[in-house]
Amino acid sequence: AQSVTQPDIHITVSEGASLELRCNYSYGATPYLFWYVQSPGQGLQLLLKYFSGDTLVQGIKGFEAEFKRSQSSFNLRKPSVHWSDAAEYFCAVGTPEGYSTLTFGKGTMLLVSP
Amino acid sequence: SQTIHQWPATLVQPVGSPLSLECTVEGTSNPNLYWYRQAAGRGLQLLFYSVGIGQISSEVPQNLSASRPQDRQFILSSKKLLLSDSGFYLCAWRGTGDSQPQHFGDGTRLSIL
Repeated sequence: AQSVTQPDIHITVSEGASLELRCNYSYGATPYLFWYVQSPGQGLQLLLKYFSGDTLVQGIKGFEAEFKRSQSSFNLRKPSVHWSDAAEYFCAVGTPEGYSTLTFGKGTMLLVSP
Repeated sequence: SQTIHQWPATLVQPVGSPLSLECTVEGTSNPNLYWYRQAAGRGLQLLFYSVGIGQISSEVPQNLSASRPQDRQFILSSKKLLLSDSGFYLCAWRGTGDSQPQHFGDGTRLSIL
């Protein structure tokens, strides 16, 4: 079965600084990969997804993520963080034989300092 | 465009009372539907999913049950709530096709007293 690890529970970044959130997965082949963002008391919003092809994926709100097969990673990046980016971020993995289910990491809480 | 509705947004229930949370999807047909529970610091736990009317798969044995009486309606129920049922419940839908992402509702905050 697949698994997802988000090693950082909390990250604090200064407004305007760059951001990288880490995600590592365990799966025998290339999975489907997703990043979601959740604001307090809200549902999850899809930021971006990777299925195949170009390993650098662009998403909404200026986010991008890069799939690195050799490292089993799918890290999320943003060149300049805004205060409105403060939220919890979840990486998720899906597989073709997974009957449409996703496995989520435990999330990384992003705090943005002025 | 597709939308997902979940209600109520907030619910406070006494221990031992029944529960019914409802989720509906608009603008699509034959979606896959999901119920998750989210506890602080523990990520999302998949509770149930459904690939069609009357088809329910349970991921975790528990005090809850799910039903799909119509194509775009997914209901989470309990006959007797436990304190441990407190949490944030999220419904999600997904279109058919291997690589489709899941899309989430706004959630229900359930507090058991």
